[in-house]
Amino acid sequence: KAGVTQTPRYLIKTRGQQVTLSCSPISGHRSVSWYQQTPGQGLQFLFEYFSETQRNKGNFPGRFSGRQFSNSRSEMNVSTLELGDSALYLCASSASPAPTSTDTQYFGPGTRLTVL
Amino acid sequence: AQSVTQPDIHITVSEGASLELRCNYSYGATPYLFWYVQSPGQGLQLLLKYFSGDTLVQGIKGFEAEFKRSQSSFNLRKPSVHWSDAAEYFCAVGAGLTGGGNKLTFGTGTQLKVEL
Repeated sequence: KAGVTQTPRYLIKTRGQQVTLSCSPISGHRSVSWYQQTPGQGLQFLFEYFSETQRNKGNFPGRFSGRQFSNSRSEMNVSTLELGDSALYLCASSASPAPTSTDTQYFGPGTRLTVL
Repeated sequence: AQSVTQPDIHITVSEGASLELRCNYSYGATPYLFWYVQSPGQGLQLLLKYFSGDTLVQGIKGFEAEFKRSQSSFNLRKPSVHWSDAAEYFCAVGAGLTGGGNKLTFGTGTQLKVEL
């Protein structure tokens, strides 16, 4: 079974541009969560989608948005990029809408975004 | 609000020595607790999780963790560390059935170095 895939793996943008990151969950998984990882702030939750509906959102500005398609693939978009948006963006997929003793949330390898 | 504290930023142990990584959590209800490991340039891999029941949880790669409600702790242990265990370790708490979906709140991580 293929794992969570994220594309692209590396991305370089300049301030003011926008960027779209993609996440393909494990087949059959309907939950996709996004996290931002930086040296200063650590791992922070961005948002979660389940069956195309945003269920939870972290404390990020409106420049960060996402969506989920009917095939469970998800994209996140960051508009008007700032230097501080440089980070590793991780997505995770799960079959269940909440953690269970038998289900596991799997993480992708991440997209490394550098904003110049 | 839930939170996780990992008091040790860096830990160095000799190969073959025992390991304990500390984790304290703050959460109003019964928590769902996780330990993840991240190798350089990689995503997060789940080592083990606690939901309920037996407070000693066994995971992959020879790791175990003990949930102690009275101390709000979920420390990770390994009896004999291998050089390949060098990585960053994250403790996380999940909101689960209280409406948080699959959202995880992570600690700041502990970087483990293994001396040969």
